[in-house]
Amino acid sequence: QKEVEQDPGPLSVPEGAIVSLNCTYSNSAFQYFMWYRQYSRKGPELLMYTYSSGNKEDGRFTAQVDKSSKYISLFIRDSQPSDSATYLCAMRTDSWGKFQFGAGTQVVVTP
Amino acid sequence: EAGVAQSPRYKIIEKRQSVAFWCNPISGHATLYWYQQILGQGPKLLIQFQNNGVVDDSQLPKDRFSAERLKGVDSTLKIQPAKLEDSAVYLCASSLAGASQNIQYFGAGTRLSVL
Repeated sequence: QKEVEQDPGPLSVPEGAIVSLNCTYSNSAFQYFMWYRQYSRKGPELLMYTYSSGNKEDGRFTAQVDKSSKYISLFIRDSQPSDSATYLCAMRTDSWGKFQFGAGTQVVVTP
Repeated sequence: EAGVAQSPRYKIIEKRQSVAFWCNPISGHATLYWYQQILGQGPKLLIQFQNNGVVDDSQLPKDRFSAERLKGVDSTLKIQPAKLEDSAVYLCASSLAGASQNIQYFGAGTRLSVL
């Protein structure tokens, strides 16, 4: 079993809809949770970073962490065609721990 | 601010040949990472440097892969000899030390095809 599970998609939504992405994990020691966006033929770009449980909002993006369920989510409001990309979750146990990435979910926002 | 620079962007080699990738991190970033991203998968850490010391190389296939970070700045990753399963994108990332280590900045990657 992989430490971090993420549905590969693709997830297709119409422009303006809410995109809902999630990851599950097995290691209860994970404390730092990140979401990255990766465009085709580009490196990942950090979108959101949260520590421990709770919610964090940044513009159209909201990240949620539920450590009791070992489940993290990313919501994108008012989606735009420019949001079409692969979204990767990542997590680590502490500031020195290895980053563990999910496989990524491909999102397609249609005009 | 300049980002993480990697070269070459693309490389095609035959199996059993050797290849080297270069990475120049963001100025002042003490931590440097090399990742392997196989198509359809998330990045997998190969090696992590703190300045010029190795923090984690547990997933580096040391019989064929080697990496160095001389003077704690630029880094090179080498594969010798390459196998077909090494076909992937090799990503370099860097971060500041301390709590800011959780914020990684990635380069565009080197796409390797082994024929």
